[in-house]
Amino acid sequence: SQQGEEDPQALSIQEGENATMNCSYKTSINNLQWYRQNSGRGLVHLILIRSNEREKHSGRLRVTLDTSKKSSSLLITASRAADTASYFCATDYAGKSTFGDGTTLTVKP
Amino acid sequence: NAGVTQTPKFQVLKTGQSMTLQCAQDMNHNSMYWYRQDPGMGLRLIYYSASEGTTDKGEVPNGYNVSRLNKREFSLRLESAAPSQTSVYFCASRALAAGGPDTQYFGPGTRLTVL
Repeated sequence: SQQGEEDPQALSIQEGENATMNCSYKTSINNLQWYRQNSGRGLVHLILIRSNEREKHSGRLRVTLDTSKKSSSLLITASRAADTASYFCATDYAGKSTFGDGTTLTVKP
Repeated sequence: NAGVTQTPKFQVLKTGQSMTLQCAQDMNHNSMYWYRQDPGMGLRLIYYSASEGTTDKGEVPNGYNVSRLNKREFSLRLESAAPSQTSVYFCASRALAAGGPDTQYFGPGTRLTVL
């Protein structure tokens, strides 16, 4: 079964609003990463957060990690129609990544 | 740099046929991975190669074999294709060198249909 589970499965918002996606996992990790996938394409790396970090920023992205709760969140601020995609979290341990089933984000113009 | 390339992009097989999916990376990465993605789901690891000369099973290895031909190339073989192997297959690579965490780089995928 998948290590990471995203919540919600689908999210629809208006352009300019913020989007928050959550990821929960079950076992120990070295790092947690977030990826984006446009329909029919490969995955593109967004941000990596180490297990000893609590928060990280990259442009309009903010990721938090709570290892005590085994959870992470991805916040996209001031969303744009171009942010429409599926977002996946992946937990890293011993050189392997385990992916969740993703959150499908739709940003309406 | 081309990054991670995969061939073919699309393939249709009949049940029982065999085929090999090719993957190559030009980033001098140590580790390479094969994943499958079924509709509405995340990626599941089929096989991986932590370094040249080694391969290991992932979460869903049954029905597949792999070859790490050299540092650049990692192929995935379906010996006798089944409809359950209809999926999109992604290859990825990462440096995985000493010194810290790093990310995976993904190829564009191979869309495989088994009739």
